[in-house]
Amino acid sequence: DGGITQSPKYLFRKEGQNVTLSCEQNLNHDAMYWYRQDPGQGLRLIYYSQIVNDFQKGDIAEGYSVSREKKESFPLTVTSAQKNPTAFYLCASSSTGGKGEQYFGPGTRLTVT
Amino acid sequence: GENVEQHPSTLSVQEGDSAVIKCTYSDSASNYFPWYKQELGKRPQLIIDIRSNVGEKKDQRIAVTLNKTAKHFSLHITETQPEDSAVYFCAANTGGFKTIFGAGTRLFVKA
Repeated sequence: DGGITQSPKYLFRKEGQNVTLSCEQNLNHDAMYWYRQDPGQGLRLIYYSQIVNDFQKGDIAEGYSVSREKKESFPLTVTSAQKNPTAFYLCASSSTGGKGEQYFGPGTRLTVT
Repeated sequence: GENVEQHPSTLSVQEGDSAVIKCTYSDSASNYFPWYKQELGKRPQLIIDIRSNVGEKKDQRIAVTLNKTAKHFSLHITETQPEDSAVYFCAANTGGFKTIFGAGTRLFVKA
């Protein structure tokens, strides 16, 4: 299960607070991704980064922000502007080119009340 | 926009029977089609993939077929076992960094 890690596994926050989810990989992959998983909706892309200091919005970027200051790290901030933040968040990475296997982290389950 | 539809959303089979999951994609430029398996409480993991220059690929009990003309691809699991119970996701990629996932199929294999 090594290679890509996420922390914490469970996270609880009050409404109105920003929260940052951690994602680290030691696979030397250039590309990293954040997905949101809700029941019956599969994996929806929030943000992705092809290389350090560069990232692009995915399909559901509103209310989220990211940074990519290091190749190994791609933290996701869930801001108070995200209307329905309670979900399971998965980070992934892949080698340059993107047309290949994505390696997923174990996920963080965020609950906002 | 790009879309991947996956059916059925739930599938229940008897141990030893076959299971088939079907997906369709909208972007004709898609050329890479991975399948991921997610066991309860675990991360998705790649189980098989196929590229657009191939019509079929097999790996032991699992196989994937691709019909580019119809923009369909399917996962076939033969001789199902209880450990095959999981959620399966199909996906499509056009060669860039963005992969579109289907909504998932929850497979139950009854012993």
